[in-house]
Amino acid sequence: GEDVEQSLFLSVREGDSSVINCTYTDSSSTYLYWYKQEPGAGLQLLTYIFSNMDMKQDQRLTVLLNKKDKHLSLRIADTQTGDSAIYFCAEIRANQAGTALIFGKGTTLSVSS
Amino acid sequence: NAGVTQTPKFQVLKTGQSMTLQCAQDMNHNSMYWYRQDPGMGLRLIYYSASEGTTDKGEVPNGYNVSRLNKREFSLRLESAAPSQTSVYFCASSGTGTDEQYFGPGTRLTVT
Repeated sequence: GEDVEQSLFLSVREGDSSVINCTYTDSSSTYLYWYKQEPGAGLQLLTYIFSNMDMKQDQRLTVLLNKKDKHLSLRIADTQTGDSAIYFCAEIRANQAGTALIFGKGTTLSVSS
Repeated sequence: NAGVTQTPKFQVLKTGQSMTLQCAQDMNHNSMYWYRQDPGMGLRLIYYSASEGTTDKGEVPNGYNVSRLNKREFSLRLESAAPSQTSVYFCASSGTGTDEQYFGPGTRLTVT
């Protein structure tokens, strides 16, 4: 398909790990991104991974990239209530006019205490 | 350094009315974007501008027009608003098309 796919909801308990999965479409994407949107706010870049990497770790965040399966995941260790938000994965897609980010529909992460 | 600013924050229109959403960035970015966000639909690209003087259609351009007034400003116009255009609109900018995009706070538009 042509869509960037994500599961819509994930619910975890505080202190557990969260894993948000994404399937993208363009094997030539040079960067893949994870954005976070808190309630009533715009999107903020959380992390990104370059396409020649398999894994990137940044404090509590771990991004895994499987290029063969076009699968991207975001793991949040020791999930806190402040991590409750919508998480979007995004790929770069090229067209005649240039490049643009294509977003998935977002995964709503709910963290209960 | 305000980043990306959008006005207005909220707007209610009647069907058939027109309005322009304003966006400005102070990061000297070349690329600017307009998205709409609807429940369960994620963000969908309406129009983008890869550089000053150029604009191009995104995924859902029908019913909208844009103007890249200068490097800083990128406006989105609804000529004849329809209830289907009720949404939250986000403007974003990036240095180039492959760089991180910085988002504005959004405009919540309701068309009755």
